[in-house]
Amino acid sequence: KNQVEQSPQSLIILEGKNCTLQCNYTVSPFSNLRWYKQDTGRGPVSLTIMTFSENTKSNGRYTATLDADTKQSSLHITASQLSDSASYICVVSDRGSTLGRLYFGRGTQLTVWP
Amino acid sequence: DAGITQSPRHKVTETGTPVTLRCHQTENHRYMYWYRQDPGHGLRLIHYSYGVKDTDKGEVSDGYSVSRSKTEDFLLTLESATSSQTSVYFCAISEPGTGEYGYTFGSGTRLTVV
Repeated sequence: KNQVEQSPQSLIILEGKNCTLQCNYTVSPFSNLRWYKQDTGRGPVSLTIMTFSENTKSNGRYTATLDADTKQSSLHITASQLSDSASYICVVSDRGSTLGRLYFGRGTQLTVWP
Repeated sequence: DAGITQSPRHKVTETGTPVTLRCHQTENHRYMYWYRQDPGHGLRLIHYSYGVKDTDKGEVSDGYSVSRSKTEDFLLTLESATSSQTSVYFCAISEPGTGEYGYTFGSGTRLTVV
């Protein structure tokens, strides 16, 4: 069964600290993996997208890694800010359909305290 | 969310009444999607469209219908709303081959069925 599991479910850190969010998936075949940030009351906004051949991708203070062999990805946030408080969603796309179906994780709720 | 607008943003309706949610895009993207987001679940696909008058079912399509008479508009209809359809509904658009990040999500419609 194609699944995307994220951990931890929630995380609280102090402003300025770093953190790492995890994503494990069983989706096959694999096309790409995306990380989204979803602020409360808003739609998800894409942070990074990685294909099979990419190991790492950065977007400012966000760095995503992908290990396609172990089917694991991580999102590292450096020097956290209050505005980083949000849900972070891991999304995996397969190659099995014309539209490349998306499989969504349940998200990690990050809270950054001052 | 530039280029994609959902209306209404909030709606409260009674069980058994019909409800229509609207997604409007200005990006001329071919593909449009309706998702629902519930606590404890990742986003789940309801219906999608790959062109005017071309639509197909997603994984949770029971109780929902869609229509796309123009490229820019994708309507989601609940023929007879039930309490289980209380959720936040997101529209998304995509155009294969354009942009690195693929999907763009709207800001969502919070629907409450009482």
